[in-house]
Amino acid sequence: NAGVTQTPKFRILKIGQSMTLQCTQDMNHNYMYWYRQDPGMGLKLIYYSVGAGITDKGEVPNGYNVSRSTTEDFPLRLELAAPSQTSVYFCASSFPTSGSSYNEQFFGPGTRLTVL
Amino acid sequence: RKEVEQDPGPFNVPEGATVAFNCTYSNSASQSFFWYRQDCRKEPKLLMSVYSSGNEDGRFTAQLNRASQYISLLIRDSKLSDSATYLCVVNPRGGYQKVTFGIGTKLQVIP
Repeated sequence: NAGVTQTPKFRILKIGQSMTLQCTQDMNHNYMYWYRQDPGMGLKLIYYSVGAGITDKGEVPNGYNVSRSTTEDFPLRLELAAPSQTSVYFCASSFPTSGSSYNEQFFGPGTRLTVL
Repeated sequence: RKEVEQDPGPFNVPEGATVAFNCTYSNSASQSFFWYRQDCRKEPKLLMSVYSSGNEDGRFTAQLNRASQYISLLIRDSKLSDSATYLCVVNPRGGYQKVTFGIGTKLQVIP
């Protein structure tokens, strides 16, 4: 089991460029999430998905888009990159169980993105 | 008031010391509480859940105080390998697996 994998590990973008951050999990988890982490700030939820074909906005969705065509993959798209999107991006997944409001989230290693 | 507040530290403690962190939360209806550990430039990983009755895992003890709306993490006999940032995580609304992360408390254990 590779768990949650993310690519690329690092990326530098110019203002206005676009890119897709890839996230794949092999644990057959229904729930997947995208967070960003900025220095001195907690992880902020960008988007999440409760299953293939279902996505919803989190706390900071502006400037991002997601899709979930399969259980395994949950790519995050940045359109028209801005310096404010410089951050570390983490993808995570979890497997909800009946009667529990929360189950452990497993995180990928992160993507460090710089927008110049 | 922030949903989840933590002292960012750093807490610099000698090996073998006992150290405690607190985390306060604003929503009295919060249902679930957790501590995650994040090593430098790595992803967060679940350290332990926090139960109403308190729970212990080896050198780590987590407690919940609903009346004062805080959770705590106690680390006994600190090891160099305990050096990390400890994230407080609260499930404020229940359901849907959505949680709020604190900014983390940085611990540095010194030889």
